[in-house]
Amino acid sequence: ETGVTQTPRHLVMGMTNKKSLKCEQHLGHNAMYWYKQSAKKPLELMFVYNFKEQTENNSVPSRFSPECPNSSHLFLHLHTLQPEDSALYLCASSQEGAGGPGETQYFGPGTRLLVL
Amino acid sequence: QKEVEQNSGPLSVPEGAIASLNCTYSDRGSQSFFWYRQYSGKSPELIMFIYSNGDKEDGRFTAQLNKASQYVSLLIRDSQPSDSATYLCAVREYSGAGSYQLTFGKGTKLSVIP
Repeated sequence: ETGVTQTPRHLVMGMTNKKSLKCEQHLGHNAMYWYKQSAKKPLELMFVYNFKEQTENNSVPSRFSPECPNSSHLFLHLHTLQPEDSALYLCASSQEGAGGPGETQYFGPGTRLLVL
Repeated sequence: QKEVEQNSGPLSVPEGAIASLNCTYSDRGSQSFFWYRQYSGKSPELIMFIYSNGDKEDGRFTAQLNKASQYVSLLIRDSQPSDSATYLCAVREYSGAGSYQLTFGKGTKLSVIP
């Protein structure tokens, strides 16, 4: 595997379900991110982990719960979601502190989530 | 509220023409600027980045930055139908406590007509 991988690629869940999204980066980076992309809206940063420590939480509802067990893996735990949470969830990674182009964020393929 | 503005388009250009995509940003202290391309149903992929005022060329792509005007653009020469996608402008901004984040525009949808 190379780059940033995400599973599952598609997910349909009911509002009472609990599910988890997984992200893995194979780039040796030290920072990982969760973004939400909805139609006609810009990419919204949800969470940032830098050296496994959460450094950003952009007012995300508690029904989204991130977990970063190590610098290569990132999870997004989902519970009691709402239909408006249906979107493309993207994971990204970067090497913070590298300076210049080394701090570019690279994205995974995303998980398309539909909440019924 | 830091903002990145892009014309949502769609921008239609004939094959072989130059496509010009524009982006303005509100944070005067921003230092790094990125252009991503996103095909329908896919994730964003980096095209190029720019840090210094002026032009930066990479193949058919040229990024232009004017920090005084808080303006960054992407030119695509000899546009091809395969360039049809949404182009996202992203600005790297300091978010406090030693952390940086990317703020994205809504993207400009480009359509290259054969």
